[in-house]
Amino acid sequence: KQEVTQIPAALSVPEGENLVLNCSFTDSAIYNLQWFRQDPGKGLTSLLLIQSSQREQTSGRLNASLDKSSGRSTLYIAASQPGDSATYLCAVRPLTYSGGGADGLTFGKGTHLIIQP
Amino acid sequence: NAGVTQTPKFQVLKTGQSMTLQCAQDMNHNSMYWYRQDPGMGLRLIYYSASEGTTDKGEVPNGYNVSRLNKREFSLRLESAAPSQTSVYFCASSQEGTSYGYTFGSGTRLTVV
Repeated sequence: KQEVTQIPAALSVPEGENLVLNCSFTDSAIYNLQWFRQDPGKGLTSLLLIQSSQREQTSGRLNASLDKSSGRSTLYIAASQPGDSATYLCAVRPLTYSGGGADGLTFGKGTHLIIQP
Repeated sequence: NAGVTQTPKFQVLKTGQSMTLQCAQDMNHNSMYWYRQDPGMGLRLIYYSASEGTTDKGEVPNGYNVSRLNKREFSLRLESAAPSQTSVYFCASSQEGTSYGYTFGSGTRLTVV
């Protein structure tokens, strides 16, 4: 059974710092990996998606990397801002999906990020 | 705005009552999903539908039923609600064969007393 772990569980840093959020998964047979942001009481907003054949994806101040063989992904946030405060979730989609088999994302429990003004 | 729409946003049920959570997407996605989110447990898959007319169990299907009414709509039914089903429920959709990921609705906060 796939397990996704996110470290740290919580992080508080001053505004302007660059930071790295970590995600690890136990089964490397993944179709893709997706990073989401969740604000309190809200739904999930997709940030970046990395296909299993890709090494990284970038969107603005966000950069996500994927090392499938070691079961790791990182989300890098540059020049953090108070508006970045949220919970960040990592999720993997199983490779079985591509063959018409089992589907559905397996989520980590998230990193709760606070950016201090 | 395009996306996934869930109704209702909030609901309080008494133990044993039934209800249906509604979900609709307007992105022409084939796959739709229901997740629940609980403190300390994260998001867990309840059921999914790869296409109209098909449904499959996820990690935590007990106590729930689903219906893929058409390509747009995927409903989740609680036949006899239990306090353990108190949770936030999220519907999502995705489009296979592209680089798109999942799009989530804003959630339904359900309390069973």
